[in-house]
Amino acid sequence: GAGVSQSPSNKVTEKGKDVELRCDPISGHTALYWYRQSLGQGLEFLIYFQGNSAPDKSGLPSDRFSAERTGGSVSTLTIQRTQQEDSAVYLCASSSLVGEPIVFNSPLHFGNGTRLTVT
Amino acid sequence: EDQVTQSPEALRLQEGESSSLNCSYTVSGLRGLFWYRQDPGKGPEFLFTLYSAGEEKEKERLKATLTKKESFLHITAPKPEDSATYLCAVQARSSNTGKLIFGQGTTLQVKP
Repeated sequence: GAGVSQSPSNKVTEKGKDVELRCDPISGHTALYWYRQSLGQGLEFLIYFQGNSAPDKSGLPSDRFSAERTGGSVSTLTIQRTQQEDSAVYLCASSSLVGEPIVFNSPLHFGNGTRLTVT
Repeated sequence: EDQVTQSPEALRLQEGESSSLNCSYTVSGLRGLFWYRQDPGKGPEFLFTLYSAGEEKEKERLKATLTKKESFLHITAPKPEDSATYLCAVQARSSNTGKLIFGQGTTLQVKP
């Protein structure tokens, strides 16, 4: 079946411009995560969605970063007034959750990321 | 603070030369430890989940093991196609989001 899809795959933007990154999760996956991977660094958690709600935004680096999810599916990560330190690969992952309370023991499935370069 | 440290950062092996990658972790109650493989320009690909000390899982030439403080990814008789970055991540029992905390990875190169 189709995996997690992210677009664009590459984005070059000028410092100060706004960018939008899109994520299409696996159909039926209610949990969605955004991570950032900088050169030589591990994956850094940004935000978690359960359905359309974001109960954990603790990883967003500044108020220039925001994200939304609509219809329990597509998510958009927006970076306003981009800075050079925002250059990184932005990865989206989705996961299926079962049970009540939610059981978090299913793996995260990642997309191939958007490589953002701020010049 | 929950933390994951992987070693070595890079590893070069000859084809057929077995070795192990290490993942040390500190977490306030482990729900699960995950291993991923990442090829250049791609997203991480799920390999294994381990839940309790003593557990082992195998897939082809890879075997993952878990203790209370660390996990090992053993690679037996590796082939060039095993070349990739291997990522370890933990999920804390206290987490109500399921987020994973990743190590920085070990980049493996297998030469023919």
